[in-house]
Amino acid sequence: QKEVEQNSGPLSVPEGAIASLNCTYSDRGSQSFFWYRQYSGKSPELIMFIYSNGDKEDGRFTAQLNKASQYVSLLIRDSQPSDSATYLCAAEEGNFNKFYFGSGTKLNVKP
Amino acid sequence: ETGVTQSPTHLIKTRGQQVTLRCSSQSGHNTVSWYQQALGQGPQFIFQYYREEENGRGNFPPRFSGLQFPNYSSELNVNALELDDSALYLCASSGGQGRSGNTIYFGEGSWLTVV
Repeated sequence: QKEVEQNSGPLSVPEGAIASLNCTYSDRGSQSFFWYRQYSGKSPELIMFIYSNGDKEDGRFTAQLNKASQYVSLLIRDSQPSDSATYLCAAEEGNFNKFYFGSGTKLNVKP
Repeated sequence: ETGVTQSPTHLIKTRGQQVTLRCSSQSGHNTVSWYQQALGQGPQFIFQYYREEENGRGNFPPRFSGLQFPNYSSELNVNALELDDSALYLCASSGGQGRSGNTIYFGEGSWLTVV
């Protein structure tokens, strides 16, 4: 059973702080990993993807991948109240374009 | 805006009925996947269509079926609706160029309530 595990939260951080979101995955065959943000009542929207070990930065967001530890993380710098949402981590099965999602981590950024 | 459109946005059905949900993929994308997202859960893969053929299926019963049309739009059909089918149904398209071609982009979803 391929799984993606996330802490459900809520994770609360003050405005301007760094939010750190983590997930682990079970399928060593997964090559690509994705972070989506989902506001309440809305559909998930893509933040970024990563497929190489190490860090990948996009604006205030940094994704980190460690395939040996089967661990993916997302750092959000200078967190804003508008970042308050549920963050979904997803792993792609092989190269089949089939995604496994975690249950999401709810992030609250307090003004 | 992802360019993926779904209809209807909300609907209520009675247990035992049938429902059809529709999706238009993003321009240039030839692959459509359907996901079910129950409250408080992450999306779960139902199936995927590539060039009008089913190209992978998740752990869903046969009463969940689909179609893809020559213009790459797609339908999800669910027969004999059960209360547990109440969820957000998400259509995702993919198939662009390069490594990002594997990225899936979701539509706004169809909220299904079964009573």
